[in-house]
Amino acid sequence: DIQLTQSPSSLSASVGDRVTITCRASQSITIYLNWYQQKSGKAPKLLISAASSLQSGVPSRFSGSGSGTDFTLTISSLQPEDFATYFCQQSFSTPWTFGQGTKVDIK
Amino acid sequence: QVQLQESGPGLVKPSQTLSLTCTVSGGSITSGGFYWSWIRQHPGKGLEWIGYIYYSGSPYYNPSLKSRVTISLDASKKQFSLRLISVTAADTAIYYCSRGAFTGFDYWGPGTLATVSS
Repeated sequence: DIQLTQSPSSLSASVGDRVTITCRASQSITIYLNWYQQKSGKAPKLLISAASSLQSGVPSRFSGSGSGTDFTLTISSLQPEDFATYFCQQSFSTPWTFGQGTKVDIK
Repeated sequence: QVQLQESGPGLVKPSQTLSLTCTVSGGSITSGGFYWSWIRQHPGKGLEWIGYIYYSGSPYYNPSLKSRVTISLDASKKQFSLRLISVTAADTAIYYCSRGAFTGFDYWGPGTLATVSS
């Protein structure tokens, strides 16, 4: 199985901050890396697919980059509605796997 | 707009079978390129992909659960189902159904909590 390791596991930030979350794969997954946002009590929401493709309706302050084994999710200016947990997920090979999550809370 | 909705018992006794159904609306369940998936999340924890079924009927299961899982699809009802046998407390989780592809899981049901307890 391909392991995904996210860092940090949690972070505290203020509105307006630039936030960066990383996801490292245990082997190359080319660009088959997706990012999700999950708010408390809700299902995850797909933000970015194929490493850098922003889903329709997702604000442009979210961006993704990377390929191979190292990937990044960036929020350019954190907004109040962005406080949530973020997961990466690989769709390169089955079993599809998720990172352990990064919780972003208010500083 | 594709919508998914899970249904099934919220409480299952240990050693019994957990059965859940996902009903799809607003789109076709027989469209190629989509993998109708079950994903679970233990309380306060991360996400675990359980398996998928393709519209042609071919399922694939996570090896970690393969010996206990069956996923089936009923195209006429626009439903797909999860069956997990011999459950224990470790199977207590929120179960989500989702539409998957190589570009990620783009539609999700709201999730249903399944508790294993006597």
